Amino acid sequence: GEDVEQSLFLSVREGDSSVINCTYTDSSSTYLYWYKQEPGAGLQLLTYIFSNMDMKQDQRLTVLLNKKDKHLSLRIADTQTGDSAIYFCADGPGDTGRRALTFGSGTRLQVQP
Amino acid sequence: KAGVTQTPRYLIKTRGQQVTLSCSPISGHRSVSWYQQTPGQGLQFLFEYFSETQRNKGNFPGRFSGRQFSNSRSEMNVSTLELGDSALYLCASSLDGGSGNTIYFGEGSWLTVV
Repeated sequence: GEDVEQSLFLSVREGDSSVINCTYTDSSSTYLYWYKQEPGAGLQLLTYIFSNMDMKQDQRLTVLLNKKDKHLSLRIADTQTGDSAIYFCADGPGDTGRRALTFGSGTRLQVQP
Repeated sequence: KAGVTQTPRYLIKTRGQQVTLSCSPISGHRSVSWYQQTPGQGLQFLFEYFSETQRNKGNFPGRFSGRQFSNSRSEMNVSTLELGDSALYLCASSLDGGSGNTIYFGEGSWLTVV
């Protein structure tokens, strides 16, 4: 079945860049997503990338997609303490009829002042 | 434009009871999906509804059920609650659940079973 993997923890200093990595197995996904979850909250859609794109930039966020290696990354520039949260990578519905998101286990980002 | 709304936000139930959770999708969205989030299992897909029909179902026992109404609002029900059902239940909405949709989540319903 589909699988998405992420590293569990990342610690950076305020002002540095953060890079969160993700690998996935289902090549049929049309969109790949990044969600942010703060303590006690639901999932906030941060950004997404269409599967035929290599890169997408959205203010401080840059998503890179290597479709050949099935590798996705999220770069947060000028990381702030408010960015401390859990970040989930997910691959979305594809052409196989699967309508569910498959999530990674989440990467906890800790930003030190 | 209002986001995905879930009620109640928090609830405590006793083993053996049943619970109903509600989700109102973003206006115009007709696909509603439900996910369970636990520390041990992470985020797992429960089911997806579109036009009042369940189209996809995850690997959960029959105690977990859902429905969707003509206005796209959805409810999920868990009967004969077990301690392991304690979780955050998240609802997601999208236009039609297709591969080209963006998918938005609500704040979730925190269920504690004691």
